[in-house]
Amino acid sequence: QVQLQESGPGLVKPSQTLSLTCTVSGGSISSGGYYWSWIRQHPGKGLEWIGYIYYSGSTYYNPSLKSRVTISVDTSKNQFSLKLSSVTAADTAVYYCASLSGSYYYLDYWGQGTLVTVSS
Amino acid sequence: SYVLTQPPSVSVAPGQTARITCGGNNIGSKSVHWYQQKPGQAPVLVVYDDSDRPSGIPERFSGSNSGNTATLTISRVEAGDEADYYCQVWDSSSDSPVVFGGGTKLTVL
Repeated sequence: QVQLQESGPGLVKPSQTLSLTCTVSGGSISSGGYYWSWIRQHPGKGLEWIGYIYYSGSTYYNPSLKSRVTISVDTSKNQFSLKLSSVTAADTAVYYCASLSGSYYYLDYWGQGTLVTVSS
Repeated sequence: SYVLTQPPSVSVAPGQTARITCGGNNIGSKSVHWYQQKPGQAPVLVVYDDSDRPSGIPERFSGSNSGNTATLTISRVEAGDEADYYCQVWDSSSDSPVVFGGGTKLTVL
């Protein structure tokens, strides 16, 4: 059973860069077949896809965030990471990492989520 | 970009059948997935590829998809089914291919 766990600061100052890491266990990022994804959920709101990365390093980002987002992968640590630059209060949300199946493109495994608050 | 429309809320009495819809242009040509999210928890996949269930999901959860509407059906609703439900598709022609519906709050009366 694949498990994902987000880690990173829960509080980020405005204009700084939000950095989160997702550690994958029970499976290898390098095995292929999955797109390793980040999704966020603003308080009381719906789900917003941020982007994904394949183990090879190819990425795809939500156009609304593309100018500020970088997703990277470290196959040696079985981790992938999210960086979101120039954050504002509007980036306050619960951030989830998840695995996007490359067959029918559903998100089958999710991390528990981590709340990131942007505040000075 | 592709838009998925869900009703904000659906209410149903215990033991009855809940139907949650997800509307989209010719959604019947796409593969639709459904997630259940309880308060303070991560979403859980309950139906994928229109009507398949992941291991561990009760048979009470089923799905269908045709025309411009996909439907998640929950039979013999239990109090524990109260949650937010989201539909999702992959739209390969979009510049933002992972598309979520706005979510539906299922209330068990």
